[in-house]
Amino acid sequence: AQRVTQPEKLLSVFKGAPVELKCNYSYSGSPELFWYVQYSRQRLQLLLRHISRESIKGFTADLNKGETSFHLKKPFAQEEDSAMYYCALSGQNAGNMLTFGGGTRLMVKP
Amino acid sequence: EADIYQTPRYLVIGTGKKITLECSQTMGHDKMYWYQQDPGMELHLIHYSYGVNSTEKGDLSSESTVSRIRTEHFPLTLESARPSHTSQYLCASRVSGSGAYGYTFGSGTRLTVV
Repeated sequence: AQRVTQPEKLLSVFKGAPVELKCNYSYSGSPELFWYVQYSRQRLQLLLRHISRESIKGFTADLNKGETSFHLKKPFAQEEDSAMYYCALSGQNAGNMLTFGGGTRLMVKP
Repeated sequence: EADIYQTPRYLVIGTGKKITLECSQTMGHDKMYWYQQDPGMELHLIHYSYGVNSTEKGDLSSESTVSRIRTEHFPLTLESARPSHTSQYLCASRVSGSGAYGYTFGSGTRLTVV
């Protein structure tokens, strides 16, 4: 079975502060990990995926297989980063089905 | 424009009514999914389809049903709505071979059952 855990329901930081949204997973195999973002009144959209190892909107995430984690980080938070963030996992032995974590609401205060 | 469309965006309905949430995509995707986003914002897979006449239940048990008579259309039906069905319903699709990064999500239908 595949499972994704996001321990924080809400994360509140001031503008310019570093941000780390935590994500842990369990999967018996080689998973693909993703971060999705949902801004207010907008669709759920892909932010980044571990395979591409890219930085999107200043966010990065590193897959740590030893700790089974895929934390999302940004060195300096901006007010426009306020949104709902979901960590998601997909495994080939589950037909590439996406399993989502419970989500973390990020609030960036001015 | 190639996209995935959900209607209605918002629906308030009385207990016991039958409702159908519409989802259509014009991208030619063969795989389609329904997720339920509860008030706490958790996302749970409730139904999926790998093609015409193929439907399966997801991880979260749901009293809803789905059909896939046409590739582009994947409606979700509640025969008798109850307040516990109040939630946001998200439809998604992707094409085979795109892997998990090929998901496109709709704008969602926010359902309130009173």
